[in-house]
Amino acid sequence: NAGVMQNPRHLVRRRGQEARLRCSPMKGHSHVYWYRQLPEEGLKFMVYLQKENIIDESGMPKERFSAEFPKEGPSILRIQQVVRGDSAAYFCASSPAAHTDTQYFGPGTRLTVL
Amino acid sequence: QKEVEQNSGPLSVPEGAIASLNCTYSDRGSQSFFWYRQYSGKSPELIMFIYSNGDKEDGRFTAQLNKASQYVSLLIRDSQPSDSATYLCAVTFGSARQLTFGSGTQLTVLP
Repeated sequence: NAGVMQNPRHLVRRRGQEARLRCSPMKGHSHVYWYRQLPEEGLKFMVYLQKENIIDESGMPKERFSAEFPKEGPSILRIQQVVRGDSAAYFCASSPAAHTDTQYFGPGTRLTVL
Repeated sequence: QKEVEQNSGPLSVPEGAIASLNCTYSDRGSQSFFWYRQYSGKSPELIMFIYSNGDKEDGRFTAQLNKASQYVSLLIRDSQPSDSATYLCAVTFGSARQLTFGSGTQLTVLP
C-alpha cells in the first residue's frame, strides 16, 4: 500500500528558472494539500486541491506560484522564476474523502535555489 | 488570529520517563487536533488525532484535549531514545480543511 509519493526528492535550480514539484496521493485519496517548511521555520499551508479543482489557495504567494491536480496524473506545484527565498522543503499531504481531516505526508521535495 | 503555540524546547527526559508535550490554540472554532512527529530532515509522521474532549490512548502515546481551556497535550510513556524528534501540534479551524501547525517542540530522550 504505497504512501504519498513526491518527486523529485531534491531539486536544484538557479535563480530565474522554473521548479515543478509532483505529488501522487495515497491510493483512494482524493484531497491533496501542499505545505512549505522554510529553514528553521514551521510548516505553512499553501494550497488545497481536489481533482480538477483548487479548493483553497489562501496560503499561496500571489505571484510565481501555481498548483493543479488534473483528472489524470499527479498534483503539480509550479514555481516560476525562482528566487533564493524559495529554498525550502515542500511537502504534499493527502486525505481520503471529506469525512476526515487526517492527512498523511509524503517525503517532501527539498528545493535549493542557487 | 488563528494560532497554534508550542514550547520550542528543547525538552530532555531520561529514558523510561514520561515526556509531556503541550499545545495551545487561539480559536474556539477549532475542529480537529493532530500530533505529528518529525525527525530531522524527514517528513511529518502522524502519531495521533483527537476530536473530542478527554483522553485518547494508543500504545505508549496519550493525547489529551480540553476545548474549554484550548489546549491539547501529548504524553509519551516509557520514552525511548528513538522518540527523540520534533513534535508538531496541528489544528484545523472551522470549515477549513488545512492544518495549522505550531512551531514544534524538540524532544531529546537521554539513554
